[in-house]
Amino acid sequence: KQEVTQIPAALSVPEGENLVLNCSFTDSAIYNLQWFRQDPGKGLTSLLLIQSSQREQTSGRLNASLDKSSGRSTLYIAASQPGDSATYLCAVTQAGTALIFGKGTTLSVSS
Amino acid sequence: NAGVTQTPKFQVLKTGQSMTLQCAQDMNHEYMSWYRQDPGMGLRLIHYSVGAGITDQGEVPNGYNVSRSTTEDFPLRLLSAAPSQTSVYFCASRSTQGPPGELFFGEGSRLTVL
Repeated sequence: KQEVTQIPAALSVPEGENLVLNCSFTDSAIYNLQWFRQDPGKGLTSLLLIQSSQREQTSGRLNASLDKSSGRSTLYIAASQPGDSATYLCAVTQAGTALIFGKGTTLSVSS
Repeated sequence: NAGVTQTPKFQVLKTGQSMTLQCAQDMNHEYMSWYRQDPGMGLRLIHYSVGAGITDQGEVPNGYNVSRSTTEDFPLRLLSAAPSQTSVYFCASRSTQGPPGELFFGEGSRLTVL
């Protein structure tokens, strides 16, 4: 059974710092991996989608990498801002249509 | 740009009552799904559908029914609500054309069962 783990569960950094969020999965037979952002009391917003054949995706200050063979993905946030404070979730798509989520990393960026 | 719309946003029920959470999408997505999100448990798949007339169970289907009569709508029914069903429910959809793509979420429906 696929398991998705995100470490750390919570992270606090000062504004301007570069940071890395980690996601690991136990079964490398995935179609893609997706990173989401969730603000308190809100739904999930997709940040980046990496297909299994890709190594990384970039959007603005965000860069996500995927190493399928080792079952790992990282989300790199450059020059963090207070507005980046949120919970970040990763999820993998397996055979069929199921999306399996990690429990998230809650990020707090202080000014 | 409506995207995925869920109603109601908040609901309080008494044990044993029934209700339907509504989900509609205007992106012509074949795939629609329902998740529940609980503290410490993350997001768990309840039911999903890959097209009108086709539904299947996810990880935690007990106590919930779904149907898919149109491409746009995917309601989630609680026939006899229990306190264990207190949660935040999210509907999500995506296209099934080509490789699995981006999943779009609604804003959530917060349900409390007393």
